[in-house]
Amino acid sequence: SAVISQKPSRDICQRGTSLTIQCQVDSQVTMMFWYRQQPGQSLTLIATANQGSEATYESGFVIDKFPISRPNLTFSTLTVSNMSPEDSSIYLCSVAKSTNAYEQYFGPGTRLTVT
Amino acid sequence: GQQLNQSPQSMFIQEGEDVSMNCTSSSIFNTWLWYKQDPGEGPVLLIALYKAGELTSNGRLTAQFGITRKDSFLNISASIPSDVGIYFCAGQPNTGNQFYFGTGTSLTVIP
Repeated sequence: SAVISQKPSRDICQRGTSLTIQCQVDSQVTMMFWYRQQPGQSLTLIATANQGSEATYESGFVIDKFPISRPNLTFSTLTVSNMSPEDSSIYLCSVAKSTNAYEQYFGPGTRLTVT
Repeated sequence: GQQLNQSPQSMFIQEGEDVSMNCTSSSIFNTWLWYKQDPGEGPVLLIALYKAGELTSNGRLTAQFGITRKDSFLNISASIPSDVGIYFCAGQPNTGNQFYFGTGTSLTVIP
């Protein structure tokens, strides 16, 4: 497995602002992913964070709204841009050690509230 | 994205009872994962399944990869209060590295 930390653990933000969430892993991993989990709901994949290249976004998610960086094999950031109350959610980072992403391990999540 | 349906949506059981839940999809998946999520925390991986028909155990938990590759099952034997939480299945299709998550089963164990 892997030890994954996320910062911040929670935040309350005003609409129209942006928040950057950090994900740090204790060892090098091949794959990193970002998910959103709205209250009481399942997890929805936002994008795959690719090291050294642009992230791969799922349908319904765009780079302008959720820019992602992955400068190395242990770190990634997700920015939630121009926030609205609908962005209130838990944002989760996950990692996989193999290119086939057979086993994914999750961070503790960042609980975001937009007022 | 892919649609994964879990049932039941919620369960209320007495401590000591066995639990069964399942996950179905409209597409074939190559890998199935089962997770448990406690309030305020990220999901924790319980069991991973890689082959159709595979049956894998982790303590009191047993999961099976359905023969059709469109479903998976999780059983918990002799439930205890710390089994309380939300259980999610996740499936990986033929194409791509991403996993898609099921709708979740909320488990309540009554002491």
